[in-house]
Amino acid sequence: AQSVTQLDSQVPVFEEAPVELRCNYSSSVSVYLFWYVQYPNQGLQLLLKYLSGSTLVKGINGFEAEFNKSQTSFHLRKPSVHISDTAEYFCAVSDLRRNTPLVFGKGTRLSVIA
Amino acid sequence: GAVVSQHPSWVICKSGTSVKIECRSLDFQATTMFWYRQFPKQSLMLMATSNEGSKATYEQGVEKDKFLINHASLTLSTLTVTSAHPEDSSFYICSARDPGQGNQPQHFGDGTRLSIL
Repeated sequence: AQSVTQLDSQVPVFEEAPVELRCNYSSSVSVYLFWYVQYPNQGLQLLLKYLSGSTLVKGINGFEAEFNKSQTSFHLRKPSVHISDTAEYFCAVSDLRRNTPLVFGKGTRLSVIA
Repeated sequence: GAVVSQHPSWVICKSGTSVKIECRSLDFQATTMFWYRQFPKQSLMLMATSNEGSKATYEQGVEKDKFLINHASLTLSTLTVTSAHPEDSSFYICSARDPGQGNQPQHFGDGTRLSIL
């Protein structure tokens, strides 16, 4: 079974400052890793994913994440945040089987302050 | 890209009412769909896996008779909250994976906000 730990439940940051949202996972098998964003009263939008290959993954809205197998981490970063980045961010993991659902972390609330 | 449509987006009803939520895959056929529940300021909790043409697989602690799931076609799964009570109020989200995209991530509907008075 897989599990995901998002170490920070809330992250306040000033506009145009850099941000890192932390994610660690646990699994006994190879996994795929994802970051999703959720705006209020909406579903989830995929930011980026790691399936294989380069460990640095670039996503939408200027976000990127780095897969670190030795540290079992997949931290999300953005060099300069905007007010519009205020949202809930979820890290998720999936094994390689087609019909298994994603397992989510508890989420990190990013609040960008003007 | 693949789109999952969920309807309705918001429901307010009286206690004791049964509510049906639809989840459709618009441009792909989904043999498997997933239903999640999300409480305020919390993560998504998997409720059940909906399998086309067969019974749904429920997670531990989810009442099968309370949350009826029907996956009658390759593009439609429904979740019916039977005799809903205030404690069933929550945000329900469905998702599906396009089998034509291999092990690509799940696509999510926009969710249904259920409020039971």
